[in-house]
Amino acid sequence: DTAVSQTPKYLVTQMGNDKSIKCEQNLGHDTMYWYKQDSKKFLKIMFSYNNKELIINETVPNRFSPKSPDKAHLNLHINSLELGDSAVYFCASSQRYSLSGNTIYFGEGSWLTVV
Amino acid sequence: AQTVTQSQPEMSVQEAETVTLSCTYDTSESDYYLFWYKQPPSRQMILVIRQEAYKQQNATENRFSVNFQKAAKSFSLKISDSQLGDAAMYFCAYRSLRSYNTDKLIFGTGTRLQVFP
Repeated sequence: DTAVSQTPKYLVTQMGNDKSIKCEQNLGHDTMYWYKQDSKKFLKIMFSYNNKELIINETVPNRFSPKSPDKAHLNLHINSLELGDSAVYFCASSQRYSLSGNTIYFGEGSWLTVV
Repeated sequence: AQTVTQSQPEMSVQEAETVTLSCTYDTSESDYYLFWYKQPPSRQMILVIRQEAYKQQNATENRFSVNFQKAAKSFSLKISDSQLGDAAMYFCAYRSLRSYNTDKLIFGTGTRLQVFP
């Protein structure tokens, strides 16, 4: 069973389009995140949610809108896609002060290419 | 704000040899967690090892071990008996648990490890 799963894994789309990436975790964690990895492999947090509540919004353009319908799901919707949005987007989850040693677990990533 | 620095963009090692990847960080906090993640060409982020700052003992996981120097804010990863499958990008990361608002991983820029047969 995949602990953190995200779909789609690959996405090629044209500038100006709107697209969504979905994420689900079956670990029972209360916190979920979106990270972006750019073309230089640099990883940076975009958002975090705890029990469906937005906690961290790291100066991300408001074309990016996360939504958490429940604590096991965190989706990312991107409006009016730009070339600079091309990146790998990682969903992740964790449980604070857990037996897993506060590890953050990552999904496999969603490769977004904007043409 | 916390920062994580990996000063070695690339490293290489011969199969079966030992290699050490460096990581330093800057923080004013006393309680935090440090991680090493491996990212193979598939781009999946795989946890290699974690260290709780309150623990003096260095973490080990099979062939992987860390040298955690809290006062020096250093957290290096040692890979023993290197295998071809160890070739990947390695990221050092810091996690603060001070509050939910600071609960995130801060990554270094990564070290690409090549393993030669």
